[in-house]
Amino acid sequence: KAGVTQTPRYLIKTRGQQVTLSCSPISGHRSVSWYQQTPGQGLQFLFEYFSETQRNKGNFPGRFSGRQFSNSRSEMNVSTLELGDSALYLCASSLERTGNEQYFGPGTRLTVT
Amino acid sequence: SQQGEEDPQALSIQEGENATMNCSYKTSINNLQWYRQNSGRGLVHLILIRSNEREKHSGRLRVTLDTSKKSSSLLITASRAADTASYFCATVRKTGANNLFFGTGTRLTVIP
Repeated sequence: KAGVTQTPRYLIKTRGQQVTLSCSPISGHRSVSWYQQTPGQGLQFLFEYFSETQRNKGNFPGRFSGRQFSNSRSEMNVSTLELGDSALYLCASSLERTGNEQYFGPGTRLTVT
Repeated sequence: SQQGEEDPQALSIQEGENATMNCSYKTSINNLQWYRQNSGRGLVHLILIRSNEREKHSGRLRVTLDTSKKSSSLLITASRAADTASYFCATVRKTGANNLFFGTGTRLTVIP
């Protein structure tokens, strides 16, 4: 099976702009989670989608949003970008919501200037 | 915020030696998992240990869990240069939520 794919892999945006990142989970996986990784805060959970519904959300401002489509593909959107949003954004998928291992994509490196 | 701390933050050893990393966490857990990350890439799942287990092995990996101390350790035996990476522990809480709470990570360098 193909692994988790994320597009684009690298992105440079300017403060105030918005950005959309995409994630395609492993075929058959229904849960998709997003994480932000920065040198200062480490790996932090953003949100989880399952069956097109947001099931869980981390402690991030409303500028961060996401959605999941019927084929389980997911997108996350960040509006009004700030310099502090520069990070590696990781998507992970799992078969169900069992709390078992998650399979991570390579990430999207977002740089905000 | 992160779930816990890992120590050491960085570890440098010679090829063939064993590497031990420790993880402490804060709340009751369903399970604890270890992941590896190579140089700013995605994370790779290594091993999962459930809250009712005390020790688990997978190849050259040995994980222990002490729920009374809220701590875990990962031992990599007979290390190789290819083991050079960052290692993260992650917990799944008993709340039923599916998300992972990550530790701060240990940067392991194995010198050939």
